[in-house]
Formats: sequence, C-alpha cells, structure tokens
Amino acid sequence: GQQVMQIPQYQHVQEGEDFTTYCNSSTTLSNIQWYKQRPGGHPVFLIQLVKSGEVKKQKRLTFQFGEAKKNSSLHITATQTTDVGTYFCVAGANSKLTFGKGITLSVRP
Amino acid sequence: DADVTQTPRNRITKTGKRIMLECSQTKGHDRMYWYRQDPGLGLRLIYYSFDVKDINKGEISDGYSVSRQAQAKFSLSLESAIPNQTALYFCATSDSQTGSYGYTFGSGTRLTVV
Repeated sequence: GQQVMQIPQYQHVQEGEDFTTYCNSSTTLSNIQWYKQRPGGHPVFLIQLVKSGEVKKQKRLTFQFGEAKKNSSLHITATQTTDVGTYFCVAGANSKLTFGKGITLSVRP
Repeated sequence: DADVTQTPRNRITKTGKRIMLECSQTKGHDRMYWYRQDPGLGLRLIYYSFDVKDINKGEISDGYSVSRQAQAKFSLSLESAIPNQTALYFCATSDSQTGSYGYTFGSGTRLTVV
C-alpha cells in the first residue's frame, strides 16, 4: 500500500495557538484522507482530498493537498481543548487505506 | 443505534483460546475491514472484504481469520489467542458506490490475552 509519514508523533500547543501538521509520501498519491481519533474513541473521517492543490475548510480546520500530490497539510486555527486527539492522514490505494502512526495533539488550557 | 456495532466491547481471554469478534453495520456499505491498533503503531489492516464473496489479507493477517456472513456482518477470529494479540480492534466500513471512500469505524473491541 501507499505509505505516508507524519512527523512528529506528538505535539503540544497552548490553547489559542495555531497548529499545522504535515503528511509526506515518496510516491504520488491518488487521494488522501484525514481522520481524527479522540482519546478513548474511534477514528472519525474528516475529509478526502483528490485534486492537485486542493484546499478544503471545515470551520477552523484547513486541509491542503500538495501540487505534486505527494504531501498534505492540516492547519488548525486558534486551537481549542476540543481539538485534542490523534490526527491520521491516510493514503488510499485500490480503496484499501494504509494508516500511518498519526500525530497526537495535546492542548494546554 | 450505532451505524457500525462491534461486540464485545471488552474481552479478556486466556492464551490458546479461540475467540471471535463480531461486527455488524446498518449503513448498507459493501466494504468491510478489520484493523488493530497498538500504542505507537497506528492502525494496521488485518483483513478486508469488498463484498460477501471477497476476502483479502491485509498486512498482518497471520493468526487471524475472518468470515463475511452477510453484507452487514464481518467477524474476526483468533484461532489460538496469544498475548501479543492484545490490542484494540476496529471494524470499519466504506461504500464503493459513492464518490467518497471515507471509512466509518465501530467503537472498537479491547482484547486482552493473558
């Protein structure tokens, strides 16, 4: 399957700060999906990006797919404690998703 | 009721025992998946099924088997459980008929093998 890397695995921010995380692949991706897993919960689908350079917004979250379709970013504006959780970017190949380790975000109130 | 239901939610079993984890869905999705999650390792695919007659191995299928009893039901079996199969197991579904392939996950089964 197509592999994506998310580094670092953990990030801590102060409430109100912006947060950006990146997802990188060595190969061109057909699409990328983002999921969020709250502590003790299950992954929840957030968004799918398909087109080169695509940008999608969900309230304070902005998702972007790179021009070369090898990377993606998630930007959260003015983080809140409700943003705590693990965010996974996931590459899709033949409708079979390969999950990376994700990035776990903690927010200090 | 949840769209994707996993039973049991928690299970403790002994080494060598056979155990079955069940998953049922009301979303009408044709595709179903089993993942396991271990701390620091993300989610790894065990098996997946694109329809009732289709079963495929994922990246870590050794020690597991599955059965797709109906479009809505996909069960995972551990024939002889071992301690390193202690993990959080998720079932997921997706729909090949729509433009989005976002997965819907169940709430998970926490399995402990002692």
